[in-house]
Amino acid sequence: KNEVEQSPQNLTAQEGEFITINCSYSVGISALHWLQQHPGGGIVSLFMLSSGKKKHGRLIATINIQEKHSSLHITASHPRDSAVYICAVSQGAQKLVFGQGTRLTINP
Amino acid sequence: EAQVTQNPRYLITVTGKKLTVTCSQNMNHEYMSWYRQDPGLGLRQIYYSMNVEVTDKGDVPEGYKVSRKEKRNFPLILESPSPNQTSLYFCASSPTSGSGETQYFGPGTRLLVL
Repeated sequence: KNEVEQSPQNLTAQEGEFITINCSYSVGISALHWLQQHPGGGIVSLFMLSSGKKKHGRLIATINIQEKHSSLHITASHPRDSAVYICAVSQGAQKLVFGQGTRLTINP
Repeated sequence: EAQVTQNPRYLITVTGKKLTVTCSQNMNHEYMSWYRQDPGLGLRQIYYSMNVEVTDKGDVPEGYKVSRKEKRNFPLILESPSPNQTSLYFCASSPTSGSGETQYFGPGTRLLVL
């Protein structure tokens, strides 16, 4: 079993829909990251959180430390949101362990 | 512009021919790390460095070497590349305390070993 599990692996939705991507982890962590990988391959950090909730534009990330679970929400989804979204957890100060990624496709 | 750069971006080589992928950041970051990304396996950490002259193994260090002689540079060395090292490689950095901070990724290097 992977230390970081994401669901779903693939998600296709229509423009405007509310999107939720889930991440569960089985190890102790110091922080959790949500990353976005564009079709061209580049990776951008969206959020880094250790508790509670963060919001940036149409993106919201939450984490429940007790349940070892995080969610990434996208409101009013748009085709430009199509990308792979990756959850990663920090173990101590050194290591990052990644989920498999969720491939999101938003159709116009 | 604050950034992490990698060179080359694309490389085709043959088994056994030593190569170096360079990584450089202009943000005075202390922490740097290398990852490889493979279909079905996701991203995995190869090596990381908490500061100059301080490096340590990640989850998949076999077949790779690194050095951190200067703060800004963290090259990845493949002494004798093999086909199973064909992958997409990313370098990343963060300001001070390592993986618990926002990570800044380079653009990636796509390596094919024949």
